Amino acid sequence: GAVVSQHPSWVICKSGTSVKIECRSLDFQATTMFWYRQFPKQSLMLMATSNEGSKATYEQGVEKDKFLINHASLTLSTLTVTSAHPEDSSFYICSARGGDGTDTQYFGPGTRLTVL
Amino acid sequence: GNSVTQMEGPVTLSEEAFLTINCTYTATGYPSLFWYVQYPGEGLQLLLKATKADDKGSNKGFEATYRKETTSFHLEKGSVQVSDSAVYFCALRTGNTGKLIFGQGTTLQVKP
Repeated sequence: GAVVSQHPSWVICKSGTSVKIECRSLDFQATTMFWYRQFPKQSLMLMATSNEGSKATYEQGVEKDKFLINHASLTLSTLTVTSAHPEDSSFYICSARGGDGTDTQYFGPGTRLTVL
Repeated sequence: GNSVTQMEGPVTLSEEAFLTINCTYTATGYPSLFWYVQYPGEGLQLLLKATKADDKGSNKGFEATYRKETTSFHLEKGSVQVSDSAVYFCALRTGNTGKLIFGQGTTLQVKP
């Protein structure tokens, strides 16, 4: 089946620094990728939708200048958390869609971000 | 707005017990409904789905029926195994944007 990877799987950073998270579709071309955020014991909340070669569409309440999303190729999307603060600590999950003729989303394993 | 509500967990069962995880939704229009499963250390995987009222999704012994009259999509399995231990997410999708709205997830623990 379709595989989506994320890197890194976990990261710890100091407050004020920026962190980049990569999401790759390993065996298919992803026309659309989604970024989610998950707090402990809570649901996945969609942050943004990105289509290859175009600007991401952010959900209401998500700061686009803080969470920079780039979808430069059909197999790679990146999420950069700029000037991270402790409240940005969370589990970030990406998903990818496309290539199999269905609208199924394939999810990555997630990245745990801890901001000190 | 659109939303999904799942029963709180964790749900702890003995092997071969019957499983029900409740899921209800609120949505405008006619959503598609999904169950995703997340095994420890892995990404979410689509377990089953239903796209219209009265449809039954099934996979790996799990079933869920799209009930429009009760706005529900309860997940059931007749005999659980230890390997079914995971977190289960109910979700809905409206329109053709691909955006999914998830419930909060229910942790299932199956003991031998």
